[in-house]
Amino acid sequence: QKEVEQDPGPLSVPEGAIVSLNCTYSNSAFQYFMWYRQYSRKGPELLMYTYSSGNKEDGRFTAQVDKSSKYISLFIRDSQPSDSATYLCASGDTGTASKLTFGTGTRLQVTL
Amino acid sequence: DTEVTQTPKHLVMGMTNKKSLKCEQHMGHRAMYWYKQKAKKPPELMFVYSYEKLSINESVPSRFSPECPNSSLLNLHLHALQPEDSALYLCASSQGGITDTQYFGPGTRLTVL
Repeated sequence: QKEVEQDPGPLSVPEGAIVSLNCTYSNSAFQYFMWYRQYSRKGPELLMYTYSSGNKEDGRFTAQVDKSSKYISLFIRDSQPSDSATYLCASGDTGTASKLTFGTGTRLQVTL
Repeated sequence: DTEVTQTPKHLVMGMTNKKSLKCEQHMGHRAMYWYKQKAKKPPELMFVYSYEKLSINESVPSRFSPECPNSSLLNLHLHALQPEDSALYLCASSQGGITDTQYFGPGTRLTVL
């Protein structure tokens, strides 16, 4: 079993839809969680960072972490064609400093 | 400024060549990373430098040789690579604390012929 599982998609939604992207993880030691957006043939761009459980909102993006169920979510409101990219979740624990475990990424396509 | 720069953007090399990838950040970050990413796969950690010392080597073949000349620069020296080493090589940096966010560069797309 991979430590971080993520549905690879592709996920296709119409412009303006609310998008829900999810990951599950198995390592109870994970304490911090990130979402990266990666456009084709580019480096990952940090979108959201969350430490421990809870919600975090930044513009159209909301990240949620539920440590009791080991579930990580990213919601995108009012999705735009420019949101079309691969979204990677990543997790880390305080015991292995600086070592992130990535999900496989979900490819999102927002259509006009 | 959260910019990590990488050069070159693209590199094509033969199996007998020696080349180097370069990475630079001016954010005062003390940890720098090399990742390898194949198509439709997540980044795979190769090396971590913390305060200019190699702290993690993920059992990477010796044909990849990292170097951290100073806190702003990170190099990856390549020698006798194989075609299966063709990938996007990503550099990242972070402040150096154990819960730090990592900021990635745009990557160098490497093709080994």
